Amino acid sequence: GAGVSQTPSNKVTEKGKYVELRCDPISGHTALYWYRQSLGQGPEFLIYFQGTGAADDSGLPNDRFFAVRPEGSVSTLKIQRTERGDSAVYLCASSSGTSNTEAFFGQGTRLTVV
Amino acid sequence: DAKTTQPNSMESNEEEPVHLPCNHSTISGTDYIHWYRQLPSQGPEYVIHGLTSNVNNRMASLAIAEDRKSSTLILHRATLRDAAVYYCIEGGATNKLIFGTGTLLAVQP
Repeated sequence: GAGVSQTPSNKVTEKGKYVELRCDPISGHTALYWYRQSLGQGPEFLIYFQGTGAADDSGLPNDRFFAVRPEGSVSTLKIQRTERGDSAVYLCASSSGTSNTEAFFGQGTRLTVV
Repeated sequence: DAKTTQPNSMESNEEEPVHLPCNHSTISGTDYIHWYRQLPSQGPEYVIHGLTSNVNNRMASLAIAEDRKSSTLILHRATLRDAAVYYCIEGGATNKLIFGTGTLLAVQP
C-alpha cells in the first residue's frame, strides 16, 4: 500500500479481554515502531522492530503487552487482560531502517476499554 | 523522557512566517534534530531534520544554532492547514523517537 495501514481504526473492548492491533508497514521498510498516545500527550514509545526481531522493547509498560513481527513486515500488538488505563490511540510507524530517516506513521487505532 | 523543551503553544496569522523554537541543550554530537507535526485526529507527519547545517525543504526550514543547543523551525507562510502540534525530537541511530508534549500552533485567518 501507499502508506502505513492500521486496523481496526477503532476498537472497544471490555475490561479483562484480550485485543490484537494490526500494523501493515510500507513495503520494504525494515524498521517498525509502536507508540501509544493518551489525550493531550505526545506519542509514547513502546517497541521497535528491525526486521523480525524486537530491537528495543523498553517502552512496553508491563508483561500484558507483547508485539510480534514474524515475517518482518506486518506486526501485531497484543494486549492481555485489558485495563481501563490501556485506553489510548495506538500508533504504528515504519522507516527504511537506515539511521535518521523519515518515519511514516499510520492513522492509529483508538482503543477504548470499558 | 523527552530531552527537548518547547513552548506549549503559539499563535500566528495566516500568510505570515512562524518561528517555532526548541531547546536541546544536552544533545549529543551525533544526534539529529527531527521535527514532526500532528494534525488533529491524525498520526504524526515528518517535517524536517538536520544535524548541524541549516536545512530547507518544501514544507519548512530548520535553523540550527552553531552550538546545537537550540533550533528553530520556520514556516515561511503559515496557512490554516499548518495548525497542528509540532514536536522537536533528538534522534539517534535507531530512529526511535521520544516525543515531548510539543507546541500547539494556532493559525488565525
